[in-house]
Amino acid sequence: DAGVIQSPRHEVTEMGQEVTLRCKPISGHDYLFWYRQTMMRGLELLIYFNNNVPIDDSGMPEDRFSAKMPNASFSTLKIQPSEPRDSAVYFCASSLEGENTEAFFGQGTRLTVV
Amino acid sequence: GENVEQHPSTLSVQEGDSAVIKCTYSDSASNYFPWYKQELGKGPQLIIDIRSNVGEKKDQRIAVTLNKTAKHFSLHITETQPEDSAVYFCAASIWGGGFKTIFGAGTRLFVKA
Repeated sequence: DAGVIQSPRHEVTEMGQEVTLRCKPISGHDYLFWYRQTMMRGLELLIYFNNNVPIDDSGMPEDRFSAKMPNASFSTLKIQPSEPRDSAVYFCASSLEGENTEAFFGQGTRLTVV
Repeated sequence: GENVEQHPSTLSVQEGDSAVIKCTYSDSASNYFPWYKQELGKGPQLIIDIRSNVGEKKDQRIAVTLNKTAKHFSLHITETQPEDSAVYFCAASIWGGGFKTIFGAGTRLFVKA
């Protein structure tokens, strides 16, 4: 397996624009996580899914953020409208339920909102 | 909810010396404690983990210890090498159905050759 795949790797957008980040988890994994990483706040869990169902979205900062998982192999994180303070690296991770609970991270998407 | 604190935020050691990173957690229900290493431009990668029914675990130059009573756990790297330079994150989660992992703030480790 190629691991968790995120796209794009870098995104630069203007304030007010809609941004969509994409993630393909490892095949067979039943948990998917979206994290945001900044210097100030470190790694923050935004939302996670189990079997495509959102379980906990308490980390989503505002209504401008939304996430979907229409099927087991794809998830999106959308920011609309984007603001400069949303600039960060966004990571997607996936894992299996059970004995091996290691979370495998993607390479991340570096978002810059100008 | 769970809160994980990690110290120090920066650690500089000479090649060959040992490095120790310490973390504390707040939720006594947490039972799974992974450690991740993040290199520049990459996502975090698991290097070792420990479960609450184990007090210590070792993998070559890396070891983790867990004190459930005190709710703290530590990462020990012996015989450090320049390639160990990275950011290290501790984390805590509740394994088994509906879990989420909460990360510490990270420790930037510099190993000087």
